[in-house]
Amino acid sequence: EAGVAQSPRYKIIEKRQSVAFWCNPISGHATLYWYQQILGQGPKLLIQFQNNGVVDDSQLPKDRFSAERLKGVDSTLKIQPAKLEDSAVYLCASSPRGRFDTEAFFGQGTRLTVV
Amino acid sequence: TQLLEQSPQFLSIQEGENLTVYCNSSSVFSSLQWYRQEPGEGPVLLVTVVTGGEVKKLKRLTFQFGDARKDSSLHITAAQPGDTGLYLCAGEGMAGNMLTFGGGTRLMVKP
Repeated sequence: EAGVAQSPRYKIIEKRQSVAFWCNPISGHATLYWYQQILGQGPKLLIQFQNNGVVDDSQLPKDRFSAERLKGVDSTLKIQPAKLEDSAVYLCASSPRGRFDTEAFFGQGTRLTVV
Repeated sequence: TQLLEQSPQFLSIQEGENLTVYCNSSSVFSSLQWYRQEPGEGPVLLVTVVTGGEVKKLKRLTFQFGDARKDSSLHITAAQPGDTGLYLCAGEGMAGNMLTFGGGTRLMVKP
């Protein structure tokens, strides 16, 4: 079974530029998560999709971050404009269902450096 | 927002020693998961505990869910260098629609 695929693995941009990350979840998984993991910290949930609908985006900085999951499969996360404090690893995860006793399968993440 | 606090944040021990990592919250969770993350990789699930008071064992690792489903512990017996990594607890809210992670415990086991 193929895992969660993310691209790119690494990205370096200057502040105020825009960047986009892509995620392909495990086939058939209804739930997709985007997490931000700053160095030395645990992952922080940015947004959760159930199929192509948003379940929770309360911690997504909506003035600069946006995410979509068209057709309930792939997802993209965009930052525009980027700030220095956005430097982090962006992890995508998927799970087969969204309620109770659910394992989240993670991709390798995209390491973003904003200079 | 449901918060999970892990302690200790860092732990450096010698091979063969035992250790316990704690995950605490003031919130009740429907389930709690423990993950291990290695550098450059995403977290990988170790175990899920669902019932208050539940104890699960995975080889040298013992996981316990508190009776009130607000806290959990991970105990490693006779640690080995291969156990080195970042250990994360994650709680699933009662509504079942959010997976919240703790800050992690970075473990280093020296040979």
